[in-house]
Amino acid sequence: SQQGEEDPQALSIQEGENATMNCSYKTSINNLQWYRQNSGRGLVHLILIRSNEREKHSGRLRVTLDTSKKSSSLLITASRAADTASYFCATGPMYNTDKLIFGTGTRLQVFP
Amino acid sequence: GAGVSQTPSNKVTEKGKYVELRCDPISGHTALYWYRQSLGQGPEFLIYFQGTGAADDSGLPNDRFFAVRPEGSVSTLKIQRTERGDSAVYLCASSPTVLGNEQFFGPGTRLTVL
Repeated sequence: SQQGEEDPQALSIQEGENATMNCSYKTSINNLQWYRQNSGRGLVHLILIRSNEREKHSGRLRVTLDTSKKSSSLLITASRAADTASYFCATGPMYNTDKLIFGTGTRLQVFP
Repeated sequence: GAGVSQTPSNKVTEKGKYVELRCDPISGHTALYWYRQSLGQGPEFLIYFQGTGAADDSGLPNDRFFAVRPEGSVSTLKIQRTERGDSAVYLCASSPTVLGNEQFFGPGTRLTVL
């Protein structure tokens, strides 16, 4: 079963604009990760934020985590056509397992 | 260095047949994970190994699905009596340690059951 839901399901923007994707989840977590997927195949890890962190940056990526609301957001600044992909949040549960539970994904299209 | 590799990249089989999907993790990674992804959905967890043992197999949908990792490196996902609903992309990932680290994914095997 899917842990989280992502919002929006699809997002279309112009190059240079910022893209914001949101993720909500249901249970307590150890960490939350964001992955990118091109063409429905392998996923690439983007960033990991732990449950005791509130914000993290990596290059043009900014991730926030609000454990009280069970939500996270991914901001991509100054988007490029090459950012076109599906983006998934994935949560690592709190106890006894290292599996990831993925959200439903946001399909981002960046037009040149 | 080499990433996670999966073979075959595509597998077409008939309903009722047996299939094996192989995953070669990154060398030295102790944890190995299997997920499957249906069209338009996020990956769904199946099973993960810490070394040779299955640490969590709670995602296996039924007893037709089985996975092994006999030497703590390569893993094989085995599906018996395949059904059309098993059609999906099967993804493998590995991680250097367990408990809350990023996972490195392979390109996946697209399984089509006719």
